[in-house]
Amino acid sequence: GQNIDQPTEMTATEGAIVQINCTYQTSGFNGLFWYQQHAGEAPTFLSYNVLDGLEEKGRFSSFLSRSTGYSYLLLKELQMKDSASYLCAVSDSNYQLIWGAGTKLIIKP
Amino acid sequence: GAVVSQHPSWVICKSGTSVKIECRSLDFQATTMFWYRQFPKQSLMLMATSNEGSKATYEQGVEKDKFLINHASLTLSTLTVTSAHPEDSSFYICSARSGTPQETQYFGPGTRLLVL
Repeated sequence: GQNIDQPTEMTATEGAIVQINCTYQTSGFNGLFWYQQHAGEAPTFLSYNVLDGLEEKGRFSSFLSRSTGYSYLLLKELQMKDSASYLCAVSDSNYQLIWGAGTKLIIKP
Repeated sequence: GAVVSQHPSWVICKSGTSVKIECRSLDFQATTMFWYRQFPKQSLMLMATSNEGSKATYEQGVEKDKFLINHASLTLSTLTVTSAHPEDSSFYICSARSGTPQETQYFGPGTRLLVL
């Protein structure tokens, strides 16, 4: 079957760095997406990785290793507004998005 | 760019009535639109995928006669919840994708439905 695993919840301190991991097992791979979802709102797109390596976009970076079925989202200089759920999603061989359950990130002052 | 709107953002209705939710891509042509449902503190659940001009493909367990989807143009898809019941109360979110399947899905702001 197809499976996306990510931690249910993480806590970090304002100003610090946090890494949210995502492991996947899917039938085929056509890219991995990270989305941010604030409580009560719809997801917003953060990043897309299809090749191995690190993609940096401001305070956020996303890493992919296809051989190990592993990705992480790295958030630097954490701000209170970064408190949200972070969703990992993989595009499978049919370009269907397989969604993880999301990681709730709690930022403490 | 890549803005998706949804209307209404909130709807409260009586049990047994039908509710229509609109999803529009404002600055791009959406060849494919997706409808999701999300219950509180749960993950996104894909309900159906629709391609412009063709019938929607529903996920297993989603009743196509209850959740009517129309994708009549490249910028508009509608979801009609027919004969709504309290258990249909949820957060309904659409997303849209242009061009090739590798393209990113962009989400609308969601519609919160409460059935009394």
